Amino acid sequence: EPEVTQTPSHQVTQMGQEVILRCVPISNHLYFYWYRQILGQKVEFLVSFYNNEISEKSEIFDDQFSVERPDGSNFTLKIRSTKLEDSAMYFCASSDEFVAGDSYEQYFGPGTRLTVT
Amino acid sequence: QQQVKQSPQSLIVQKGGISIINCAYENTAFDYFPWYQQFPGKGPALLIAIRPDVSEKKEGRFTISFNKSAKQFSLHIMDSQPGDSATYFCAASSYSSNTGKLIFGQGTTLQVKP
Repeated sequence: EPEVTQTPSHQVTQMGQEVILRCVPISNHLYFYWYRQILGQKVEFLVSFYNNEISEKSEIFDDQFSVERPDGSNFTLKIRSTKLEDSAMYFCASSDEFVAGDSYEQYFGPGTRLTVT
Repeated sequence: QQQVKQSPQSLIVQKGGISIINCAYENTAFDYFPWYQQFPGKGPALLIAIRPDVSEKKEGRFTISFNKSAKQFSLHIMDSQPGDSATYFCAASSYSSNTGKLIFGQGTTLQVKP
C-alpha cells in the first residue's frame, strides 16, 4: 500500500538554526500539506501546496517557514531560524484530486519530531 | 468560526462497550467531516468520513452521526476493543475552499479496558 514517508524521524537543532524537513508524498497525489502537533495538543494546519504553489497558509506559517517541491517526488518544509516554540511533531500529508460530491482522504506520514534547544 | 470543539478529552470504556465522542463546529461552509485515529508515534489515519448530505454513515463497528441543524457530529465505536485504544480527532474541511485544509478538534484519548 502506498504511503507518505518523512525524514528524519527526529531532528534536534539549536535555536536560530535552519532545518529542512523532508517528505515523499504518495506518487500520484496532487495536493500536499504540512501540519504540526505540539506535544499533547491538537493537529494544526500549516500550509497546503498545489500546482507548485502555496494554495493556503495559516497564521503560524510566517516568513520563517517555506515549502518547496524541488523535484517530482520530494516536498520539503524549511524553517529558517528555529525558535523554542517550533518544537513539535511535523506531519506531511498528501491527497488526490478533489472529485465533486465525493470525499477525499489525506494520507499522513509518520511525522518528524523537531526538538529546538 | 474556524474552530472544531471536541469532547470528552479522555474516555475509558470497558471491552464490548460503546465509545462516543462528540464534535461541534460553527462554520457552515464546512462540508467534509472526517475522523482520524492516531496511535502513539504514528501519524493520524483516516477512520471514517461523512458529507453533510447524509445523517449517518456506518463502516463496521464505527458510525458517524451528523446533525446539520445543530452543527454537531459524533463518532460511535460499537463493541469497543482494547486495540481501539488510541487518540481520536474529528476534523472539518470546506470542499469549496479547494485547498483541503483540515481543521482538527482537540482530540480524545480512548482507553478500552480488557
